[in-house]
Amino acid sequence: DAGVIQSPRHEVTEMGQEVTLRCKPISGHNSLFWYRQTMMRGLELLIYFNNNVPIDDSGMPEDRFSAKMPNASFSTLKIQPSEPRDSAVYFCASSSTGGRNEQFFGPGTRLTVL
Amino acid sequence: SQQGEEDPQALSIQEGENATMNCSYKTSINNLQWYRQNSGRGLVHLILIRSNEREKHSGRLRVTLDTSKKSSSLLITASRAADTASYFCATDQTDKLIFGTGTRLQVFP
Repeated sequence: DAGVIQSPRHEVTEMGQEVTLRCKPISGHNSLFWYRQTMMRGLELLIYFNNNVPIDDSGMPEDRFSAKMPNASFSTLKIQPSEPRDSAVYFCASSSTGGRNEQFFGPGTRLTVL
Repeated sequence: SQQGEEDPQALSIQEGENATMNCSYKTSINNLQWYRQNSGRGLVHLILIRSNEREKHSGRLRVTLDTSKKSSSLLITASRAADTASYFCATDQTDKLIFGTGTRLQVFP
């Protein structure tokens, strides 16, 4: 199994630009999670999906952030417009047993907003 | 908000020594998990301990859980340079995990 796949691995953009991060969960996993990791705030859950349906988006910081899961094998996290404080590593994780048990993380996307 | 608080924040030891990391949390849990994160990589699940368990082993890892004190510890025995990483505890809250602040472990050869 290829594991959770994220793209791009690195993204450098300018303030005000739209950023789209992509994730392919492990096949057969029905839960998908988006996290953000920074030195200041640690690892924060932004949003998670069960069976492609958003369950909890209380961690999404602002309306500038949106996430979709059009099918079981693909999800996107979009930031529009991006700001320097959005610079972080964004992780996608998936699970076959819901959010309470083992989660499998992707390699992350390092986002730098200039 | 972060549920878990790891202690110490950073730990440096020599190869062959044992490393102990602690995690404290605030609310009741069904299970507690430990994850490892190598520099520049995603988190990797190490072990899960349920609230009705007190101790669990996996290879060189030993995890304890004290629900009365709302705390857990991770012991890595006979550490290796390859154990150098950050270690996070995670507690379940409804259908999601809340991660702690992490302990950075450095193992010197």
